Amino acid sequence: DSGVTQTPKHLITATGQRVTLRCSPRSGDLSVYWYQQSLDQGLQFLIQYYNGEERAKGNILERFSAQQFPDLHSELNLSSLELGDSALYFCASSVGSGGGQETQYFGPGTRLLVL
Amino acid sequence: QKEVEQDPGPLSVPEGAIVSLNCTYSNSAFQYFMWYRQYSRKGPELLMYTYSSGNKEDGRFTAQVDKSSKYISLFIRDSQPSDSATYLCAGGYQKVTFGTGTKLQVIP
Repeated sequence: DSGVTQTPKHLITATGQRVTLRCSPRSGDLSVYWYQQSLDQGLQFLIQYYNGEERAKGNILERFSAQQFPDLHSELNLSSLELGDSALYFCASSVGSGGGQETQYFGPGTRLLVL
Repeated sequence: QKEVEQDPGPLSVPEGAIVSLNCTYSNSAFQYFMWYRQYSRKGPELLMYTYSSGNKEDGRFTAQVDKSSKYISLFIRDSQPSDSATYLCAGGYQKVTFGTGTKLQVIP
């Protein structure tokens, strides 16, 4: 158990809908990262928040947004969902502001299926 | 071209075999290199971490980085069925970039 929690575990929804994924980082970790994992693309970095502020942005679509709250939990909002958004969404956390040298601890993921 | 390339496998080996997992990368700025292990329906977990070129050993696992050829390797000695998982290599400098993963199956 990494100490990172994610809810829900599974989500089934329809195209055009909006969903919110939630992540609680390990105790003491200030950074939260969001990743999308699909069979063909592997683990794709979406966005990082550090202590409430956006720190780094990856391949995140405009239909997706995220935020980190004062208690450091984070939410990833996915809107106008398309079939291709079906994937595993992982949250990870790290102690500091990130960078390649920090160990990231991953949550169990949310499996999203868009029908 | 992806920054980190991995053969997706699957790779099947008999129990007790030595496993060699490999990645290549294109970003010369990478200073930190990692191997993550991901069991089915679980999140990735850090297995090995190395800085710059060289070898690092931890039990049955050895990570090797050759920056001159931009090559990352993970060796598993005396492989066990419990090693069956997907192995993700990653490189980092300002951020971490992951490979797509190699699926390994160790057959009893």
